[in-house]
Amino acid sequence: AQSVTQLDSQVPVFEEAPVELRCNYSSSVSVYLFWYVQYPNQGLQLLLKYLSGSTLVKGINGFEAEFNKSQTSFHLRKPSVHISDTAEYFCAVTDDTNAGKSTFGDGTTLTVKP
Amino acid sequence: DADVTQTPRNRITKTGKRIMLECSQTKGHDRMYWYRQDPGLGLRLIYYSFDVKDINKGEISDGYSVSRQAQAKFSLSLESAIPNQTALYFCATSDFMHSGGYTFGSGTRLTVV
Repeated sequence: AQSVTQLDSQVPVFEEAPVELRCNYSSSVSVYLFWYVQYPNQGLQLLLKYLSGSTLVKGINGFEAEFNKSQTSFHLRKPSVHISDTAEYFCAVTDDTNAGKSTFGDGTTLTVKP
Repeated sequence: DADVTQTPRNRITKTGKRIMLECSQTKGHDRMYWYRQDPGLGLRLIYYSFDVKDINKGEISDGYSVSRQAQAKFSLSLESAIPNQTALYFCATSDFMHSGGYTFGSGTRLTVV
């Protein structure tokens, strides 16, 4: 069975500082990995995805993530955050044995302070 | 128009009432999902459907039912609402290969009093 652990429930950071949101997954087979962002009072939107190929994946709004198979991690990073990045971020995993259904982590609330 | 539209956006209902949440999509995706979001618990899968004739229970299906009226429409019903079903409900779609991830609706905030 697949599972996702987001290691930090809340991450406060000052504007223009770098940030890393950590995600570990568990699966016995090849996986597809995703990060979604949820702004207040909105639905989730896809930030970036890893399907195959290069382990460094770039997404929207300057975010990137690195797939590390040996450490079963998919951490999200941004070198310099803005106030507008304040949101909740969800890591999700899908594998072929789970009929394409995604399992989501509990979410990390990123708060960017001025 | 949004790719995935959920109605209503907000709803307050009384314990014991039957309520239906509706979802329609213009993505042309075969796969549709209903998730529930509670603070600190992430998203939990209620039901999913891979086509009109294929409906499956998720991890928390008790107290819910669904109907896939067409490829583009997938409704979630609470047969007899109870207060612990108060939550934010999301509909999502994906294609067969899942290459694009999920496309989510804006959510329905349901309060059961």
